Amino acid sequence: DARVTQTPRHKVTEMGQEVTMRCQPILGHNTVFWYRQTMMQGLELLAYFRNRAPLDDSGMPKDRFSAEMPDATLATLKIQPSEPRDSAVYFCASGLAVPAEQYFGPGTRLTVT
Amino acid sequence: QQQVKQSPQSLIVQKGGISIINCAYENTAFDYFPWYQQFPGKGPALLIAIRPDVSEKKEGRFTISFNKSAKQFSLHIMDSQPGDSATYFCAASKRGGTSYGKLTFGQGTILTVHP
Repeated sequence: DARVTQTPRHKVTEMGQEVTMRCQPILGHNTVFWYRQTMMQGLELLAYFRNRAPLDDSGMPKDRFSAEMPDATLATLKIQPSEPRDSAVYFCASGLAVPAEQYFGPGTRLTVT
Repeated sequence: QQQVKQSPQSLIVQKGGISIINCAYENTAFDYFPWYQQFPGKGPALLIAIRPDVSEKKEGRFTISFNKSAKQFSLHIMDSQPGDSATYFCAASKRGGTSYGKLTFGQGTILTVHP
């Protein structure tokens, strides 16, 4: 049963600390998405990659967020320095560009105090 | 033009009733319309999807109705069950360009089915 995996599942950190979230997409999927979910904003697309190349990161605060795909089996989202307003659930999703089906991971719940 | 507007924000239905969630879009380039279901503490999961060449798609108790001229689509859950209580998101995607495969999501509808 192929699925997207994310680590860690929960992260509590203090303001100013660096946070790294990891995602392993489903084998064979060529598109990876990072989303942030909050009650107020719903599901926000932060960035996405196709064939490991970044296509759009316009949803990310550029000064503190960065996303990379060092290889086809790993995507990372980094926040440095973290702030309380970054507290949210971060989802990774993978898929094939056509027909645009996306498969979501279980999420990383981030709390910044 | 990239927005997908979803209503209602929340919905309460009695067991056995019909749940209806509506979405509207502006961008006529959208050509793929999925619905996602999300349970608390889980990631959204693809429930059912439709392309604009058909007006309706049914999978079990779940049906998407699509009105291309009105640029609207809706999810109908027949014989709603307490286990259907979740948040539902509509979404849309378009072919072509670097953004193909990228989904634009609605704001979500929290469905509660009372036993």
